Amino acid sequence: DSGVTQTPKHLITATGQRVTLRCSPRSGDLSVYWYQQSLDQGLQFLIQYYNGEERAKGNILERFSAQQFPDLHSELNLSSLELGDSALYFCASSTRQGDEQYFGPGTRLTVT
Amino acid sequence: GEDVEQSLFLSVREGDSSVINCTYTDSSSTYLYWYKQEPGAGLQLLTYIFSNMDMKQDQRLTVLLNKKDKHLSLRIADTQTGDSAIYFCAVTPSTGGFKTIFGAGTRLFVKA
Repeated sequence: DSGVTQTPKHLITATGQRVTLRCSPRSGDLSVYWYQQSLDQGLQFLIQYYNGEERAKGNILERFSAQQFPDLHSELNLSSLELGDSALYFCASSTRQGDEQYFGPGTRLTVT
Repeated sequence: GEDVEQSLFLSVREGDSSVINCTYTDSSSTYLYWYKQEPGAGLQLLTYIFSNMDMKQDQRLTVLLNKKDKHLSLRIADTQTGDSAIYFCAVTPSTGGFKTIFGAGTRLFVKA
């Protein structure tokens, strides 16, 4: 158990809908990272927050947004969902920035 | 930008050593990681090495870093069937924010 929690574990929704994925980092970690893992794209970095502020952005679509709250938990919002958004979404946390990351168990999103 | 490459498959016999290789493009990479992902699970941090190190040993795992060739390897001694998983190489460049770039993963098959 890495200490990073993610909810929900599974999510099934329809195209055009909006969902929110939640992540709680390890105790004491200030950075949160979001990744998307799909069969054809591998593990893609989406976005990173440090102590509430966005610090790095990867291949995140404009339909996706995230935030980190004062208690350091983070949410990833996915809107106008498309079939191609079906994937595993992982959250990771680290103590500082750029140091070793610990991954949560992931949220499996299925868009039908 | 940074690119990380790994071979996709490796098959070994139980008890043999496994060597998983990775090459990367950004010579300024500061942290280099190996993660393990078992079916249906998140990524588990196995070990990491700083760019100022050449080797790191941790029980059955040995990481070798050749900075000149930008080559990272993970050796698993006495490979067991429980080691069957996907192994991801990842690097964090020192420039461009704190985006950690992952390779596509090497699927290790261990034959009994």
